[in-house]
Amino acid sequence: NAGVMQNPRHLVRRRGQEARLRCSPMKGHSHVYWYRQLPEEGLKFMVYLQKENIIDESGMPKERFSAEFPKEGPSILRIQQVVRGDSAAYFCASSQQGPGTDTQYFGPGTRLTVL
Amino acid sequence: GESVGLHLPTLSVQEGDNSIINCAYSNSASDYFIWYKQESGKGPQFIIDIRSNMDKRQGQRVTVLLNKTVKHLSLQIAATQPGDSAVYFCAEMGGATNKLIFGTGTLLAVQP
Repeated sequence: NAGVMQNPRHLVRRRGQEARLRCSPMKGHSHVYWYRQLPEEGLKFMVYLQKENIIDESGMPKERFSAEFPKEGPSILRIQQVVRGDSAAYFCASSQQGPGTDTQYFGPGTRLTVL
Repeated sequence: GESVGLHLPTLSVQEGDNSIINCAYSNSASDYFIWYKQESGKGPQFIIDIRSNMDKRQGQRVTVLLNKTVKHLSLQIAATQPGDSAVYFCAEMGGATNKLIFGTGTLLAVQP
């Protein structure tokens, strides 16, 4: 019974390159959330998606960041033209149901380092 | 704006003692609260949750207390063990889209 899976676990990019982070939700979960965590800080919400739909992207930077959750395959968080300030841990969570008191289960995260 | 904050950044306890981690939240409209445990290099792990229509909820060795009057949340861990050493986050759920708002975290250090 696999939990939320994320890959890669570690990603190193040079400034100006693109980063693609993948998330496979738990089996039976159709709601995916992305969060970013800076060192010694709490997680900050970025985006909430359902299959083929972005529900809430209020935490996404206006430029360079995008997310998708296609009908088939994992959810993708894409960061174009990365800068050093993008270095952080990016966590994906999934839930079975939508709005309401529904538990979100987190993956192990992808640690992005921008050189 | 909305915020969830913790009173103590670091808590050091002796093995076997009880631990209490506190959290203050500012959004009185939030109706769901969760405690997560995060070990180094890992993702947050769900510990226990509570809804706003409850004051107390117990799990295995853990209890969450909610005081809506003063907007305060606490996590009690009984008979703390070395394996409990981690950063603990409280989070509130606000709005209609399940967005979690996290506090900054408390590091729990269990001394053998």
